[in-house]
Amino acid sequence: AQKVTQAQTEISVVEKEDVTLDCVYETRDTTYYLFWYKQPPSGELVFLIRRNSFDEQNEISGRYSWNFQKSTSSFNFTITASQVVDSAVYFCALGGYQKVTFGTGTKLQVIP
Amino acid sequence: DAGVTQSPTHLIKTRGQHVTLRCSPISGHKSVSWYQQVLGQGPQFIFQYYEKEERGRGNFPDRFSARQFPNYSSELNVNALLLGDSALYLCASSTPGQGLYGYTFGSGTRLTVV
Repeated sequence: AQKVTQAQTEISVVEKEDVTLDCVYETRDTTYYLFWYKQPPSGELVFLIRRNSFDEQNEISGRYSWNFQKSTSSFNFTITASQVVDSAVYFCALGGYQKVTFGTGTKLQVIP
Repeated sequence: DAGVTQSPTHLIKTRGQHVTLRCSPISGHKSVSWYQQVLGQGPQFIFQYYEKEERGRGNFPDRFSARQFPNYSSELNVNALLLGDSALYLCASSTPGQGLYGYTFGSGTRLTVV
């Protein structure tokens, strides 16, 4: 069975601070994919980033960066210089062709 | 191009009633998936349809059913509604293989059962 754990339920930061969202996953599959989604109050899930299990190279995309460590089954996501518009619920997810298994989400509040 | 569209956006039903939710995928996407998101939780997989056939089903009772039409749009049906069915129902579309690269989700239908 697949499982995604997001231990942080809520995080508050002051604008311009950096914030890291933690994600730990469990799977028996050797090939899998990891995602981060953002869900603003409007409810729509917005795709942010993905990583496949064979690519542990960490990257930076604008203010977003992620740290994939297969040895610890972690896929952490960092927002640099946070902005009020970053306030949302962030979901880490694990999946493949058929379905995606989501974590319970981390609510991020960026205070002006 | 239009994204994934879902209708209605909000719905209030009474226990025991039946509900039909609709989803139109992105043009060119042949796969539609349905997810249920209860308040405070992450989305839970209900169904995946591809080329009008069910390709996957989550751990949901038989009261939940779905179908996909020749134009790749989809309906999710829930019979004998329970209070616990109150949730945001999300539809996601993808092309074959592209699911690995991130499904595109609609804004959802918020169902309230009273």
